[in-house]
Amino acid sequence: NAGVMQNPRHLVRRRGQEARLRCSPMKGHSHVYWYRQLPEEGLKFMVYLQKENIIDESGMPKERFSAEFPKEGPSILRIQQVVRGDSAAYFCASSLTGTGSSGANVLTFGAGSRLTVL
Amino acid sequence: QKEVEQNSGPLSVPEGAIASLNCTYSDRGSQSFFWYRQYSGKSPELIMSIYSNGDKEDGRFTAQLNKASQYVSLLIRDSQPSDSATYLCAMSGNTPLVFGKGTRLSVIA
Repeated sequence: NAGVMQNPRHLVRRRGQEARLRCSPMKGHSHVYWYRQLPEEGLKFMVYLQKENIIDESGMPKERFSAEFPKEGPSILRIQQVVRGDSAAYFCASSLTGTGSSGANVLTFGAGSRLTVL
Repeated sequence: QKEVEQNSGPLSVPEGAIASLNCTYSDRGSQSFFWYRQYSGKSPELIMSIYSNGDKEDGRFTAQLNKASQYVSLLIRDSQPSDSATYLCAMSGNTPLVFGKGTRLSVIA
């Protein structure tokens, strides 16, 4: 039973290029979350998605960032025109139940994708 | 703005001692509380969850929750060098998990 799979594990981009990060949730999980972690900082929520729907994008920067979770395939976090400040670890997590459900909203994290912008 | 506050540390304890990690939160609507452990360069892994006031024990770990004081803590008994990591407090209600910045724990052999 594979866990949350993220790729690439490491990505290097030059300023102005695009970065695409992919996440496949745990088997049976339909809720996906993206978090960003800057060096020596905590995890900052970015976006929460279910299949084909963005549920909460309150933590997503208004420009250059987008996310999707199509009916088929992994969730994708896309960063356009990257800048040095985008260098961070991007973690994807998935859960069986969603936020606000009666059950515990337990998140399982992937290994992360580490983006370096030169 | 929902906030979770943790002392960043580092908290240093000798091997075999009890490590006490604390966390306060601002959102009274929070319902579920979690402690994650994160080794350097790795992803967070869940070690404890707690949903009601009181203590919850799992092996060497005890989580304590006091909703009236908006306070949650983690005790690690018989601390081992392998416990050296950053411990992240997190909570959720009707929003996705909000994390504190973490407390770095160092267990000295």
